[in-house]
Formats: sequence, C-alpha cells, structure tokens
Amino acid sequence: GNSVTQMEGPVTLSEEAFLTINCTYTATGYPSLFWYVQYPGEGLQLLLKATKADDKGSNKGFEATYRKETTSFHLEKGSVQVSDSAVYFCALSDGDYKLSFGAGTTVTVRA
Amino acid sequence: NAGVMQNPRHLVRRRGQEARLRCSPMKGHSHVYWYRQLPEEGLKFMVYLQKENIIDESGMPKERFSAEFPKEGPSILRIQQVVRGDSAAYFCASSPLRRDNEQFFGPGTRLTVL
Repeated sequence: GNSVTQMEGPVTLSEEAFLTINCTYTATGYPSLFWYVQYPGEGLQLLLKATKADDKGSNKGFEATYRKETTSFHLEKGSVQVSDSAVYFCALSDGDYKLSFGAGTTVTVRA
Repeated sequence: NAGVMQNPRHLVRRRGQEARLRCSPMKGHSHVYWYRQLPEEGLKFMVYLQKENIIDESGMPKERFSAEFPKEGPSILRIQQVVRGDSAAYFCASSPLRRDNEQFFGPGTRLTVL
C-alpha cells in the first residue's frame, strides 16, 4: 500500500536559516505529491504540489522536487521567518481521493 | 468565503459514551472526507461522502463508527461506546469535485477519551 515517511521533529531554527524537511514515499504507479501546512489553530492548507516526476512545486518561498529515482519530495526554504512556524505534512495521492500523509514535522522559527 | 468548519474543537468523553463530530464543508463543496490522526502518526483516510451517500468507507473501523452527510446540515462522524484508543484528532476535508486533488481541511476535532 501507499505510505509516506517524513523527517521527525520537532525542528527549531533561527530566522533566516535554511530549512529542509525530508519526505520519502512508497506507492504503486505514479502518485501526485503534496506538502500541507497547519498553522496553530487552523486547518491544513495545501502549500505546494507536484503531479509527475521532475516537477517542482513552489509557493511562499518553499520548493519541493518530485524525485522518482529516490522516491522523495523534500521540502526546502532558503530563509525562514517566524511566521513559518507550523506543522508540515507530506502527502501523496495515487489518483483518487484518498490522501496518505506522513506524521507531520513541527517547525519552530525563533527571532 | 468561510473555510471548512468543524465543531467542537475539543471533545472529552468517558469510556462508553457517544461522540458526535460535525463538519460543515466549504460553500459549494459537495464532497466530504474524514481523516483520523492517531498520536505520532499521519492522517489516515476514513470515509468519503457526498450528499446523502457514502461513497467509500473502507477506512472506517467496522464497529461503533458511522458517518453521514444529510441533504441539509453538516456531515456527522459518530462514534458509539468510545474507548481510549479512539482518542485522536479527527479532520474533515471538502472538495468541489471528486477527482480534484485539492482537499480543503478544517481545523480538526481533538477527541480525548478518559
């Protein structure tokens, strides 16, 4: 079956530091890959997505590249801000409505 | 445009009681999905509903759990005779189309069973 494994947290960074959250997946076929973000007290929001190999999703300074050869979709941001403090979820969909999520990584950015 | 709303945000029940979790999808969305997040795990799909229809309940435990999405009103996830293992965060999502991969999530209901 489908599964997603992401880097365990929590992660604590200083403002303007570089952020990487690792995500690898197991799936049959060619899934679509997603990163969701959950800010305190809010629902999960779609941050970015990629639907085929070598696609790069980007949004709000975050990027992730769909790497089929390593079955990975690592999230990166070059310079984080305090407002990026949140829980980040990697997820996949193999073409239908069922999303499979990783356990989430809590990121705290200190001023 | 209001987002997906869930209530209550926190729910405490004693073993054997019933828990009712409500989800109001975004305006114009007729597809609702429920997910459960157990401690230290990722969200897991439970059930997919359209108005008055259960489309896929393959992720629902076979006993004590039920879901509905009536013609009028919110979607309800009902857990009868709760046990400690039901303690989790329950998230609802909605989408306008079935095969639209973007699901819009609510803030979740955190259920604690004493």
